[in-house]
Amino acid sequence: GAVVSQHPSRVICKSGTSVKIECRSLDFQATTMFWYRQFPKQSLMLMATSNEGSKATYEQGVEKDKFLINHASLTLSTLTVTSAHPEDSSFYICSARGPLREKLFFGSGTQLSVL
Amino acid sequence: AQTVTQSQPEMSVQEAETVTLSCTYDTSESDYYLFWYKQPPSRQMILVIRQEAYKQQNATENRFSVNFQKAAKSFSLKISDSQLGDAAMYFCAYRSGNNAGNMLTFGGGTRLMVKP
Repeated sequence: GAVVSQHPSRVICKSGTSVKIECRSLDFQATTMFWYRQFPKQSLMLMATSNEGSKATYEQGVEKDKFLINHASLTLSTLTVTSAHPEDSSFYICSARGPLREKLFFGSGTQLSVL
Repeated sequence: AQTVTQSQPEMSVQEAETVTLSCTYDTSESDYYLFWYKQPPSRQMILVIRQEAYKQQNATENRFSVNFQKAAKSFSLKISDSQLGDAAMYFCAYRSGNNAGNMLTFGGGTRLMVKP
């Protein structure tokens, strides 16, 4: 079955540094990937839609200059949290639209902790 | 915009018993998909069951079944013969049927506890 790999699973960084999270579709090409953020005991909130070869579409309230998304290939999308601050600490999850376009497959998530 | 509401923040069920998780949604679209996802402590999102809006028959996956009431915009999940491994957060989700995007809109979640 389709597999989405997300790395790292956990990252701790100092305030002001940048962190890159990778989302890879291992056995299929994903023209579209989605990035979600989940705060403790809350639901998943869509941050942005990442389309291969074009600019990402950000949801209202999400700072595109802070959360840089690059989808340079059909199997890789990256989310870079720039100048991270403690309030950016959260669980970030990516998902990719599968080969049949109907199913979405999720990565295992990244817990970001900013000190 | 579509919204998904889960009115039960927490539910509890005795092992081997049946529990129903509620979900309502709001949309003006006629073509869409509904999902139930399970998120165990590992936080990996696991698809439990999905329903196409154009299908009248309720979806079933082993011990999991849904009660899809399109007119009422209700999509509840029934778990039969509950097992300890069913304990998790459960999220109801909506996806539009058009090709403009496949993003999921999630409900707030229901934490299911299973008592031995």
